[in-house]
Amino acid sequence: GENVEQHPSTLSVQEGDSAVIKCTYSDSASNYFPWYKQELGKGPQLIIDIRSNVGEKKDQRIAVTLNKTAKHFSLHITETQPEDSAVYFCAASRAGNMLTFGGGTRLMVKP
Amino acid sequence: DAMVIQNPRYQVTQFGKPVTLSCSQTLNHNVMYWYQQKSSQAPKLLFHYYDKDFNNEADTPDNFQSRRPNTSFCFLDIRSPGLGDTAMYLCATSRPGQGFSDGYTFGSGTRLTVV
Repeated sequence: GENVEQHPSTLSVQEGDSAVIKCTYSDSASNYFPWYKQELGKGPQLIIDIRSNVGEKKDQRIAVTLNKTAKHFSLHITETQPEDSAVYFCAASRAGNMLTFGGGTRLMVKP
Repeated sequence: DAMVIQNPRYQVTQFGKPVTLSCSQTLNHNVMYWYQQKSSQAPKLLFHYYDKDFNNEADTPDNFQSRRPNTSFCFLDIRSPGLGDTAMYLCATSRPGQGFSDGYTFGSGTRLTVV
C-alpha cells in the first residue's frame, strides 16, 4: 500500500517569511495529492490539491509542487501570517483508493 | 451551505459506558468515513461506508461499530469506551462518482473524553 512521509514535524517561522513542507510517497500510481490545514479543535480543511498531470498549482499565497519522478510534493506558503499557524497534513491516493495521510507538520508563525 | 456536521462537539463519557457520535451531511456524497485522531497525529481511518456497503479497517477494535441509516447520516458507536479511546473523532465524506481519491470534506470533529 501507499506510504506517505512528511517533514518537518514542526516548523517555526517569522511572520512574513516563507514556509515549505515536504512529503514523499511510495506508490508511483498515486495521482492525487491534497493538502489539509487543521486549526486547533477543528477538522482538517482542504486548502489546495494537485493532480499528477500538472507540476505546480498556485492559489494566492500557497502553492504546491509535484515531482513525479522523485515521488515527492511540497507545500509552499509565502508571506506567512499568524493565522497560518496550524497543523498541515499532506495526503496521496491513486484512483479508486482512499487517501493516505502524512504524519502532519505543526507550523508556528511568530509575530 | 453544504457541509458535514458532527454532534456533539464535546462528549465526556465514563469508562465502559456506551457512547454514540453522529455525523450528517448535506453534500449528497456517497462515501462517509470515520477517523480517530490523537494529539495532532495523522487521522487514523476506522471504517467507511460506500453507499450502504460497510468497510472495516483490519486494526479497528471490535469495540467500535458504525451505522448508516441513510445517505445523510452516519453514527459511530463505542460499546465500552476505554481511557485509550479519548481522542478527536472526525467524520468525512467524498464526492459521488469520483471514487475515493477526490474531495474529502471533514466535519469539525467530536472531542471525546473517557473518564
